Amino acid sequence: AQSVTQPDIHITVSEGASLELRCNYSYGATPYLFWYVQSPGQGLQLLLKYFSGDTLVQGIKGFEAEFKRSQSSFNLRKPSVHWSDAAEYFCAVGRGEGGGADGLTFGKGTHLIIQP
Amino acid sequence: EPEVTQTPSHQVTQMGQEVILRCVPISNHLYFYWYRQILGQKVEFLVSFYNNEISEKSEIFDDQFSVERPDGSNFTLKIRSTKLEDSAMYFCASRARAGVYNEQFFGPGTRLTVL
Repeated sequence: AQSVTQPDIHITVSEGASLELRCNYSYGATPYLFWYVQSPGQGLQLLLKYFSGDTLVQGIKGFEAEFKRSQSSFNLRKPSVHWSDAAEYFCAVGRGEGGGADGLTFGKGTHLIIQP
Repeated sequence: EPEVTQTPSHQVTQMGQEVILRCVPISNHLYFYWYRQILGQKVEFLVSFYNNEISEKSEIFDDQFSVERPDGSNFTLKIRSTKLEDSAMYFCASRARAGVYNEQFFGPGTRLTVL
């Protein structure tokens, strides 16, 4: 069975500083990888996704992530964070199997705090 | 921009009562999902639904749960006899046509509180 590990429960970053959120996955085949963001009391918004091809993917709000197969990682980065980036970030893996058998497996999330 | 909608946004019920959570997926999507998130915990997959039947379900999705697509637009999750531990945020998601893998779009969630 697939799994996702987000080793950092909380991360505090100063506004304007760079950010990297870690994600490691376990899956036997080629994974489909996602980063979602959840603001307090809100739903899940897709930041970016990796299906195939270029291992560096760009997303919304200035985020990017790099797929590294050798490290089973899909870390999320942003060069300069804004106070509005404070939220919960979830990494997820999908199997992409046919017939809808592709429920996503989420990590436990990383709570991002932005300090002035 | 099309989006997944869910009603109600918050539902409070007594333990043992039946609840139905409603979702309207994006109109041309074919795959439908329910997830739940207990407060402070990660999002967990419950069930996927395609071609009017369940494709996959997790161990959480026991006999107390059922899903239905009663018409061409709604997708519902029914909990027959709610327990305190069913208190959670429930998210509906949908995905477009297969052939090429594509992402799931999530609704805003229904917060279920069981008293």
